[in-house]
Amino acid sequence: QVQLQESGPGLVRPSETLSLTCTVSGGSINNYYWSWIRQPPGKGLEWIGYISYSGDPIYNPSLKSRVTISVDTSKNQFSLRLSSVTSADTAVYYCARGVTLSIWGQGTLVTVSS
Amino acid sequence: QTVVTQEPSLTVSPGGTVTLTCASSTGAVTSGYYPSWFQQKPGQPPRALLYNTDNKHSWTPARFSGSLLGGKAALTLSSVQPEDEAEYYCLLYSAGIYVFGTGTKVTVL
Repeated sequence: QVQLQESGPGLVRPSETLSLTCTVSGGSINNYYWSWIRQPPGKGLEWIGYISYSGDPIYNPSLKSRVTISVDTSKNQFSLRLSSVTSADTAVYYCARGVTLSIWGQGTLVTVSS
Repeated sequence: QTVVTQEPSLTVSPGGTVTLTCASSTGAVTSGYYPSWFQQKPGQPPRALLYNTDNKHSWTPARFSGSLLGGKAALTLSSVQPEDEAEYYCLLYSAGIYVFGTGTKVTVL
């Protein structure tokens, strides 16, 4: 069955760029959309954006100026970059399949701190 | 930006029925908002339950059902089990983007 796994640094300095990768296993990244979601500790879910396997990302307007989502079909991976981070970006970051978010990764906690 | 509102908390007895709702600040929720529902238990990632208002995933128990009710998206849990105690989130498509609801904590007591 398809599984997703987030990876990347667990600690990012303020003003720097957060970079995460989601590896898709058990299936092809082709023919699907792929999404990123985050959840600050003790709070609700926030939709970050999605990308199709061929590109063309759509972003949350509140993050649009700082976020980039890309896809690498050769590696069966897609990625998230969030620039100029602050403590407000501390959260568990999840990747998920599709716009219906049918399958989720386990999530990775990213802490923004000096 | 669209704000999506859910009941903060609901309590239901085992074997009972409870309905959660999902309202949009832009007006009545229709099928064109493609409502989805997710269940999240502490320390776990969310799990998808329903999409496009009332479509179940292959793993979704039959006691979970979705609908549109009084201008809102709704999730009904029937014959509630203790393991249904969790946080539930809706997700709506609005103005070209997706927005999560505020979440409902369901307690089975």
